[in-house]
Amino acid sequence: GAGVSQSPRYKVAKRGQDVALRCDPISGHVSLFWYQQALGQGPEFLTYFQNEAQLDKSGLPSDRFFAERPEGSVSTLKIQRTQQEDSAVYLCASQGNAGELFFGEGSRLTVL
Amino acid sequence: EDQVTQSPEALRLQEGESSSLNCSYTVSGLRGLFWYRQDPGKGPEFLFTLYSAGEEKEKERLKATLTKKESFLHITAPKPEDSATYLCAVDQGGKLIFGQGTELSVKP
Repeated sequence: GAGVSQSPRYKVAKRGQDVALRCDPISGHVSLFWYQQALGQGPEFLTYFQNEAQLDKSGLPSDRFFAERPEGSVSTLKIQRTQQEDSAVYLCASQGNAGELFFGEGSRLTVL
Repeated sequence: EDQVTQSPEALRLQEGESSSLNCSYTVSGLRGLFWYRQDPGKGPEFLFTLYSAGEEKEKERLKATLTKKESFLHITAPKPEDSATYLCAVDQGGKLIFGQGTELSVKP
C-alpha cells in the first residue's frame, strides 16, 4: 500500500490480557517508530528500528512492553498483562529521506 | 533535557481571521523542526520541516517560520477545513520529540 498500515484500529482488552499491535510501514522505508498518544497530548516516543535492529527502546514504559521487527519490514508491538494506564492510541511511523515521519492511523487500545 | 512547548493549547477563530501558533523549543543542536496536522481519529500528517533560523516554508494558507528559540505556524484567512490539532516536534538524535499540540477550531 501507499501509506503506513496499522491493525487492529480498535482493541478492547480486559486487564491482564496480552495484546499485539501490528504495523506495516511504507515499502522501502528503513526506519520504523512506535509512539504512544494519550488523549489531548502529543505523541510520546516508545521505540525505533533501523531495519530489524532495535536501536532505541528508551521510551518503553515497562518490561511489559516489547517490540520486534524480525525481517526489517512489518513490526509488532506487544503489551503483556495490560493495565488500565496502557489505554492510549499507539501510532506507528516510517521515516522518509528527509527525516520526516509518515504515520499510520493508529491502534486505539482500551483496557477495562 | 530537550523540550517542546506549544501555545496556546486551544485557539478558536472565525473564518478569515488570521493568527499564529507558537512552538518554543530547547534542544542542543537543532537537526530539524517539524510541523504536523492531526485530525480526530487519524495519525499526524506531515506539513513542514525547518532546519535553520530564518527559514520559511509555505503551503496554501499555512506558513512556518523558525528562529533560534521558537517556530511559528501562521494561518492566513483560515477556513473551517483548517480545524485540526497542530503538532510541532524536534529531532532529538533521530527520534522526534513532540509538543502537546494546539487545537485549532475555525468557525464559519
